Amino acid sequence: SQQGEEDPQALSIQEGENATMNCSYKTSINNLQWYRQNSGRGLVHLILIRSNEREKHSGRLRVTLDTSKKSSSLLITASRAADTASYFCATDAKGSGGSNYKLTFGKGTLLTVNP
Amino acid sequence: GAVVSQHPSRVICKSGTSVKIECRSLDFQATTMFWYRQFPKKSLMLMATSNEGSKATYEQGVEKDKFLINHASLTLSTLTVTSAHPEDSSFYICSAQPGLGWYEQYFGPGTRLTVT
Repeated sequence: SQQGEEDPQALSIQEGENATMNCSYKTSINNLQWYRQNSGRGLVHLILIRSNEREKHSGRLRVTLDTSKKSSSLLITASRAADTASYFCATDAKGSGGSNYKLTFGKGTLLTVNP
Repeated sequence: GAVVSQHPSRVICKSGTSVKIECRSLDFQATTMFWYRQFPKKSLMLMATSNEGSKATYEQGVEKDKFLINHASLTLSTLTVTSAHPEDSSFYICSAQPGLGWYEQYFGPGTRLTVT
């Protein structure tokens, strides 16, 4: 089955609340990345966490990685209506690199933040 | 920095015609560019990886004769959908990687193709 499966598929919260999205994957990885996509637009890179890291912060974003469980979570704190978007995790394959480097995207979580 | 553009943003074409989509890295040189296809409310499906000056590497199940990719320079890759059919209607997104050792990909805004 597909590398990088997010859950939940959809999440609806009120402005100010925290949003947590999870991602699971199946093979060993070099890095795991989170991207955001507004409806009908391209993806925006949010954060990258390396396989030897357990937690990373960027502004209101907090990402955790548990390689033993092959899972990651993205936490958005104090959500805003502007955070409404789809969020995807993306994994690479351990050992890939150079011109063979490529990402496998999960199915995404659609986050709706209600004002 | 790291801006990627795509042109056109939307295109409608008739069945049987060909459509070319351009992907440009505006402020950096991209040794590798990627082409994805995305169906409504679905994830991105990697179609092919293109490296400047060499043939693209296509993913399994993607017809290379139907989806022609040319990466003629370090800032431009093109995807041509040949003899388009309605089932080719989709959202096509490109991304670019600045160079070896970079893991992040920078995405274009996407092209909505509708084949009538």
